[in-house]
Amino acid sequence: GAVVSQHPSRVICKSGTSVKIECRSLDFQATTMFWYRQFPKKSLMLMATSNEGSKATYEQGVEKDKFLINHASLTLSTLTVTSAHPEDSSFYICSAASGGEAFFGQGTRLTVV
Amino acid sequence: AQSVTQLDSQVPVFEEAPVELRCNYSSSVSVYLFWYVQYPNQGLQLLLKYLSGSTLVKGINGFEAEFNKSQTSFHLRKPSVHISDTAEYFCAVSDQDSSASKIIFGSGTRLSIRP
Repeated sequence: GAVVSQHPSRVICKSGTSVKIECRSLDFQATTMFWYRQFPKKSLMLMATSNEGSKATYEQGVEKDKFLINHASLTLSTLTVTSAHPEDSSFYICSAASGGEAFFGQGTRLTVV
Repeated sequence: AQSVTQLDSQVPVFEEAPVELRCNYSSSVSVYLFWYVQYPNQGLQLLLKYLSGSTLVKGINGFEAEFNKSQTSFHLRKPSVHISDTAEYFCAVSDQDSSASKIIFGSGTRLSIRP
């Protein structure tokens, strides 16, 4: 199947700094990617839909100025957590579709200290 | 809009016993249905999916699921579980009209296998 790569897999940052997470489709092009957030022992909550060449579509309750999404090419979407705070600590997962099926990245565990 | 309900947050089962993880969905349009497994501190792995055709779907690791449209259910089953099946299982749904595969997840069921 298609491969989606996420980087980094784990990051620790200081409160107030920004962190960028990359999501790449390695062997296919994706005009649309999705970003999810997973709290400990909870399900995956869809944060936003990343659209190549246009603005992302955010789900209700997600701060677009806090979670900046850029989808500059057909194989790369980035999620930047700006001015991170401890409550932003979470597991972030991206997905991209190929042939009608969604493929997920390995996830990024963000810890804000 | 679609939603997914997994009634059981935890299911403890003895090794080699059968298991069923329940999933019900709600949607005003036709949907695709999925089951994913997540091992600790890892991403998601697709177990199986229902797109169309036969309502009984077989997946990896000996799992299968049956789509029941009248009951809006997609329960996951395995006849004999192993210790290695210990993980979190997510039922998910996507809108058939969406080619971009926006997936909505259930709350998850933690399957714990006892020796």
